[in-house]
Amino acid sequence: DAEITQSPRHKITETGRQVTLACHQTWNHNNMFWYRQDLGHGLRLIHYSYGVQDTNKGEVSDGYSVSRSNTEDLPLTLESAASSQTSVYFCASSSLAGGTDTQYFGPGTRLTVL
Amino acid sequence: GDSVTQMEGPVTLSEEAFLTINCTYTATGYPSLFWYVQYPGEGLQLLLKATKADDKGSNKGFEATYRKETTSFHLEKGSVQVSDSAVYFCALSSRGGYNKLIFGAGTRLAVHP
Repeated sequence: DAEITQSPRHKITETGRQVTLACHQTWNHNNMFWYRQDLGHGLRLIHYSYGVQDTNKGEVSDGYSVSRSNTEDLPLTLESAASSQTSVYFCASSSLAGGTDTQYFGPGTRLTVL
Repeated sequence: GDSVTQMEGPVTLSEEAFLTINCTYTATGYPSLFWYVQYPGEGLQLLLKATKADDKGSNKGFEATYRKETTSFHLEKGSVQVSDSAVYFCALSSRGGYNKLIFGAGTRLAVHP
C-alpha cells in the first residue's frame, strides 16, 4: 500500500545544530508540504513543493529550508536549530494542483531543541 | 488573508451524545472546506470535505454543510462513541491556492462511557 513516512519520529537536539527531518511518500504525488503543529495554532505551513526542483515558502518559513530532487522525498532542514522550533512536524502530500484534493499526512516528528 | 476559526475545546461528552464543533472561515472567492481528525499519536487524516456552497460532506456518521451565507462549516454527529475521542481540525483551501491548507487551531473531543 502507498504511504507517507517520516523519520526520525522523535529527535532531541541542541540550539545551533543543523537538523534534517526526512519525508518519503510512495503515492507518486507531485505536491508535498511541511507543517508544524503547536498548541493553539493548529498546523502552519512551512514549505511546499509542486514537483521536482520546485520549492516555495509558506507562512512560517524563516529558519527552514527544503529541496526536492525526486518525486518521493522532501527533506526539511533546520539551518541552526532554535528553542522556538520545538514542535511536532508533519509532512503531507497530494496529487492535484487544484484546491479540492485530499492531503495525506505522515505520522509526524516530535522535535525538541534544548 | 484567509483564516479559519474553530470553537475552543476541550469538548467533553458522554457516549451517544450529540456533537457540534463550530467552524467559520474568512476567504476570498470560493474555497474548498475540510475536516481532518487526529487520533492520539497519529498524523491527520481526512474526515470529510465539501467543495462548493450547499455541499454536504459526510463520513463515519459525521456531517458538515458548506454554508456560504454564514461562512461556516460546522461538524456534527448524532451519537458519539468513545472511539471518536480525537482532535478535529477545520481547514480551507483557496481556489487557485494550489491545495495549500489553512487550518483552524483544532478542537479536542473527549467522549466518556
